[in-house]
Amino acid sequence: GAGVSQTPSNKVTEKGKYVELRCDPISGHTALYWYRQSLGQGPEFLIYFQGTGAADDSGLPNDRFFAVRPEGSVSTLKIQRTERGDSAVYLCASSLNGGRTDTQYFGPGTRLTVL
Amino acid sequence: DQQVKQNSPSLSVQEGRISILNCDYTNSMFDYFLWYKKYPAEGPTFLISISSIKDKNEDGRFTVFLNKSAKHLSLHIVPSQPGDSAVYFCAASKGTDKLIFGTGTRLQVFP
Repeated sequence: GAGVSQTPSNKVTEKGKYVELRCDPISGHTALYWYRQSLGQGPEFLIYFQGTGAADDSGLPNDRFFAVRPEGSVSTLKIQRTERGDSAVYLCASSLNGGRTDTQYFGPGTRLTVL
Repeated sequence: DQQVKQNSPSLSVQEGRISILNCDYTNSMFDYFLWYKKYPAEGPTFLISISSIKDKNEDGRFTVFLNKSAKHLSLHIVPSQPGDSAVYFCAASKGTDKLIFGTGTRLQVFP
């Protein structure tokens, strides 16, 4: 595909459950980012990968959140023991090489609802 | 602690007129600023950026102005078109890939 894709587009789960959100970046992009957007807020940085490694995970709110990118392409954001406050749109973005002036291209997001 | 602020949640402008969206920031270490546009059910789309060494950057109908002493930037859209109706986010970074976003301003351009 031409752009960043995210699956599922919507996920409804119950409090305490485990969820995985997937991101397919633009082909050839080495940098990948996860953001979270709560209602009425702007996107909030979670984690940034350069290749397979997490270059900056300072935005992960706590140890229930974890992300991987084992082959330097697809990434999965994992949330354990979900809480109602985790409900948000989770956005993924990718850029060609990383670096602050490299444009980040966003996917449409996964809307997570925790009941 | 909101480091990037967009104090106007919404703006309504007539087609053909100028739209001015404002953004304030508190961290003087920010050195790169961006504007993103977001349509419903889509991810944000990059619009225009500016480095802290400049005070203006122009791209077609879009111009971004940076006033470092006031810690203020603005996006000018002229002339405004109905297709510009969207939520606009201001974002900033301080030497890294990590973007800090504002809360957004919803622009409506009416005929």
